[in-house]
Amino acid sequence: NAGVTQTPKFRVLKTGQSMTLLCAQDMNHEYMYWYRQDPGMGLRLIHYSVGEGTTAKGEVPDGYNVSRLKKQNFLLGLESAAPSQTSVYFCASRPDPRVVNTEAFFGQGTRLTVV
Amino acid sequence: KQEVTQIPAALSVPEGENLVLNCSFTDSAIYNLQWFRQDPGKGLTSLLLIQSSQREQTSGRLNASLDKSSGRSTLYIAASQPGDSATYLCAVKGYSTLTFGKGTMLLVSP
Repeated sequence: NAGVTQTPKFRVLKTGQSMTLLCAQDMNHEYMYWYRQDPGMGLRLIHYSVGEGTTAKGEVPDGYNVSRLKKQNFLLGLESAAPSQTSVYFCASRPDPRVVNTEAFFGQGTRLTVV
Repeated sequence: KQEVTQIPAALSVPEGENLVLNCSFTDSAIYNLQWFRQDPGKGLTSLLLIQSSQREQTSGRLNASLDKSSGRSTLYIAASQPGDSATYLCAVKGYSTLTFGKGTMLLVSP
């Protein structure tokens, strides 16, 4: 009963390095989301996906790219990391509310530090 | 664009008090609203889900109400305990959107 799993849990990057964060869900959810959480700013939406092969920009998409090649996975990429991207990243999934109107599930978070 | 506001931003109370946390949203076309708890440095724990057709939802000492037409939800915590100290977040769900308030940081002192 894994739910939503984020990989890795912690990472330190040097400025300019690239990395990919993986979000995997085993609940067959259609919708998936990536947020970043910074002190005093709440959770801000980076990108989201409403189905396999589709992605859309959220509130703070600059510097990030995403892909949803498989329904169960949602990848968040940083092509050239900057110190401003130091944050805690959360992934979430939920079913299509027109089919099943239930709760959203969250991963445990990825703490990323860019030095 | 949905905007979610939580008031107050911080709250400090003595143990045993009943308290109310507020969440307001600008677009009433929602599917449901979910309250979460977050402990420092931790992830989000779901507390209550209230559907757009519901007025109230209860779990133990927690009671969430929803007035969709006025764009408001409240989380009532009865007989607060030090273990309730955390940040409480409300998340409002539209068709594809999942929008959060900035949270209320609660401190319950013994």
